[in-house]
Amino acid sequence: ETGVTQTPRHLVMGMTNKKSLKCEQHLGHNAMYWYKQSAKKPLELMFVYNFKEQTENNSVPSRFSPECPNSSHLFLHLHTLQPEDSALYLCASSHQGEDNSPLHFGNGTRLTVT
Amino acid sequence: GNSVTQMEGPVTLSEEAFLTINCTYTATGYPSLFWYVQYPGEGLQLLLKATKADDKGSNKGFEATYRKETTSFHLEKGSVQVSDSAVYFCALRRNTGGFKTIFGAGTRLFVKA
Repeated sequence: ETGVTQTPRHLVMGMTNKKSLKCEQHLGHNAMYWYKQSAKKPLELMFVYNFKEQTENNSVPSRFSPECPNSSHLFLHLHTLQPEDSALYLCASSHQGEDNSPLHFGNGTRLTVT
Repeated sequence: GNSVTQMEGPVTLSEEAFLTINCTYTATGYPSLFWYVQYPGEGLQLLLKATKADDKGSNKGFEATYRKETTSFHLEKGSVQVSDSAVYFCALRRNTGGFKTIFGAGTRLFVKA
C-alpha cells in the first residue's frame, strides 16, 4: 500500500474516446502532481496542484485536462489522444512548503492509445 | 538552471558486486537531494534523501552523501542482490520557487544471480 492509489492500472483507448484517470491519496498531503513516463525519456511533470489550485502546467496539450476537486483527489481527463500519448501516467503527492518532503507516487496507469 | 545528470545505463552486475551510480546536479540555493527507485510495474518510491551538505542518506544497504563541493550525490551499495534490479532516479528539490522536484533520466540496474 503506497498511500497513493491510481485507477485504472491499465487503459486502452481509441483516439476518439474520452476517459479519465483517477488518483487518491490518504497521506494528508496538500500538493498533488501528474507525471508522464515514456520509454527512453525523462520523467515529465505535467501538472501541479497546491491546496486544490493549479500552480503549474508544463505546456501540456489541451487534450489533457486535470481536475482537483479536493486535496485528496486528482483526475486527468483524456480526449482525442494521439498514439504518442501512450505512456505510464504517474500521480504523486507531497507536503508542499517543506523543502525536504519527498514525493509519494502511485503505481501508475499504463495508457495505450490505438 | 536546475538540473540533474546521472550515469546512463543499463548497469549489469553480478550478485554481491559493489554498486556505484553517479549523480551530479546544478542548482541555485541549497536543494534537498533524493534517490528514488522504481521496481517493474510500480511507481517510484523514495530510497533515501539528504537535506544539507555532508549529510549521508541510507536505506536497505544503499548510501549516498551530499557533496556540495563536487555537487554530487552518488549512490552506492556494497553487495547488490537480484532483488535490487530496478531503475534508480536521482532528484533534487529546490528550496525556493515552488519546491519543484527535478529528476535525472534514471539508470536501469540488472543484477544477475
